[in-house]
Amino acid sequence: AQSVTQLGSHVSVSEGALVLLRCNYSSSVPPYLFWYVQYPNQGLQLLLKYTSAATLVKGINGFEAEFKKSETSFHLTKPSAHMSDAAEYFCAVSDTAGGTSYGKLTFGQGTILTVHP
Amino acid sequence: DGGITQSPKYLFRKEGQNVTLSCEQNLNHDAMYWYRQDPGQGLRLIYYSQIVNDFQKGDIAEGYSVSREKKESFPLTVTSAQKNPTAFYLCASSLVGPRSSPLHFGNGTRLTVT
Repeated sequence: AQSVTQLGSHVSVSEGALVLLRCNYSSSVPPYLFWYVQYPNQGLQLLLKYTSAATLVKGINGFEAEFKKSETSFHLTKPSAHMSDAAEYFCAVSDTAGGTSYGKLTFGQGTILTVHP
Repeated sequence: DGGITQSPKYLFRKEGQNVTLSCEQNLNHDAMYWYRQDPGQGLRLIYYSQIVNDFQKGDIAEGYSVSREKKESFPLTVTSAQKNPTAFYLCASSLVGPRSSPLHFGNGTRLTVT
């Protein structure tokens, strides 16, 4: 079974500072990885996904993530935080059980990002 | 615009009552899912369905039931057997096929049982 660990349930940065949200995964096969964002009382929105095409993945709103197989990591970064980035972020890995190919995901616990002016 | 509609947004029930959460999608996706979200625990899969009239239990199916009579609809019933039903419930859908198919989410239903 695969799993996802997000290091740090809360991250706080100043506006304009680097954002780094950490995600480590375990998977018995090459993983497909995702980052989602959730604003209060809303559903999740896809930020970006890794599907083995390129190790550095660019997403929406200036976010990007780098897949590092040796470290089993998929950390999310943004060079300069904006107040509108304040939200909860979830890392997820695609299910590999039984060879079924569809979107059943295993999610991390989430990281709440706070941006200070 | 295509999307997923969950209703109602807020739901209040007394303990011992069954309650049904609605989920409708017009994305023409074959697969649909129900997740439960609790603070600090991420999202946990309750049930999922890959095709009409077929569904499978997820990681925390006890106390829940679903049906999939139509491609666009996947209602979730929270029964009185669910020990701790108060939570935020999210419905999602996706294509069937590529493992990289992302989930599309509704805006959730917040259920409070007292």
